[in-house]
Amino acid sequence: GENVEQHPSTLSVQEGDSAVIKCTYSDSASNYFPWYKQELGKRPQLIIDIRSNVGEKKDQRIAVTLNKTAKHFSLHITETQPEDSAVYFCAADSGTYKYIFGTGTRLKVLA
Amino acid sequence: DAGITQSPRHKVTETGTPVTLRCHQTENHRYMYWYRQDPGHGLRLIHYSYGVKDTDKGEVSDGYSVSRSKTEDFLLTLESATSSQTSVYFCAISESRTGVVTDTQYFGPGTRLTVL
Repeated sequence: GENVEQHPSTLSVQEGDSAVIKCTYSDSASNYFPWYKQELGKRPQLIIDIRSNVGEKKDQRIAVTLNKTAKHFSLHITETQPEDSAVYFCAADSGTYKYIFGTGTRLKVLA
Repeated sequence: DAGITQSPRHKVTETGTPVTLRCHQTENHRYMYWYRQDPGHGLRLIHYSYGVKDTDKGEVSDGYSVSRSKTEDFLLTLESATSSQTSVYFCAISESRTGVVTDTQYFGPGTRLTVL
């Protein structure tokens, strides 16, 4: 079946440094790639998304890049802050309004 | 929050008992989903619905059934709960704006289910 691989599973960075999380997907028909942030005990919340007709999208300190040829996309967080500490999930659409999620990356921002 | 609530929020039950989780939304979204979240597995789709009485299986549907008799409610039933179904269950919707479904997905607050 289709799948989404996410790396790394854990990531520790110093406050102020950048963090990069990478995902690869298998369904060549995927066109929508959201990223979710989940704080401890909370629901996943959408932080940024990108569609296949765009190579990069930015929102303040967060950016997502997409390489459709290689079937991978990445989340970039610059100037990390302690409140960025959370679990981040990537996802890709697979069929009409169905989504497959990566296994998550636990990001720790060290003060 | 897209007007999504889940009930109960926590439940402890015994192996072999039936369990029903409820997802309720107030904004008339057409698509609704049930996921389970387990360490190391991320979010895995159990079942989803694309309209009243229209449902389909996800990647981990064995042991689960769903029903959607009204737009606002999507029920997940474990007919005979097993310990492997101990998990956090999230309901989600794909946002509909003026009748058009978008890709934007919002999650409910989750239900923590423990099967002893």
